[in-house]
Amino acid sequence: DGGITQSPKYLFRKEGQNVTLSCEQNLNHDAMYWYRQDPGQGLRLIYYSQIVNDFQKGDIAEGYSVSREKKESFPLTVTSAQKNPTAFYLCASSLDGGTHNEQFFGPGTRLTVL
Amino acid sequence: SQQGEEDPQALSIQEGENATMNCSYKTSINNLQWYRQNSGRGLVHLILIRSNEREKHSGRLRVTLDTSKKSSSLLITASRAADTASYFCATDAPPGSNDYKLSFGAGTTVTVRA
Repeated sequence: DGGITQSPKYLFRKEGQNVTLSCEQNLNHDAMYWYRQDPGQGLRLIYYSQIVNDFQKGDIAEGYSVSREKKESFPLTVTSAQKNPTAFYLCASSLDGGTHNEQFFGPGTRLTVL
Repeated sequence: SQQGEEDPQALSIQEGENATMNCSYKTSINNLQWYRQNSGRGLVHLILIRSNEREKHSGRLRVTLDTSKKSSSLLITASRAADTASYFCATDAPPGSNDYKLSFGAGTTVTVRA
């Protein structure tokens, strides 16, 4: 099956801990994205990558870090510097970085800080 | 930055009725996309309309775009219980921009009553 997967589905973190969210795609897409969604709100872009070994900050990158060492993988680390990390995190990919392409979304990871 | 804003925030209709929601945006665009999100899941792409198009159909979906008013509408005809979801519009950056990001609105939550 082709698609985009995220793991884990639920993640609990103690304050002060870093956690890494996984995102993998087998669609052979060049571009990948991380979004944050808070209750009743739309998606806010954290980081995006248009090609392997390159990524750019989105609108709310502070307290987050990413890497893009492989085309299929775009992990997101939520660091202790992120003051309010409890949210629903969505990963997406598209054929390339052009906005004429649809984005394919993973099922999401719900992160809760205890 | 979030450019698209959906209206209304929430909509409740009877099965078989039509549902209409609107999206307004601030700056000119190349494309506008509509996505659906079932509760707790990732987003699914519905339709993309280009700035030089005025109307587009896909099954029971009809999307219009009025660039002079900077607005778009999504019509779902003959609604079904399975249409219960949140619907988001996503706009891209103005033509000529090097910005390849999409901006999502806060969404319209549609509930279809049996």
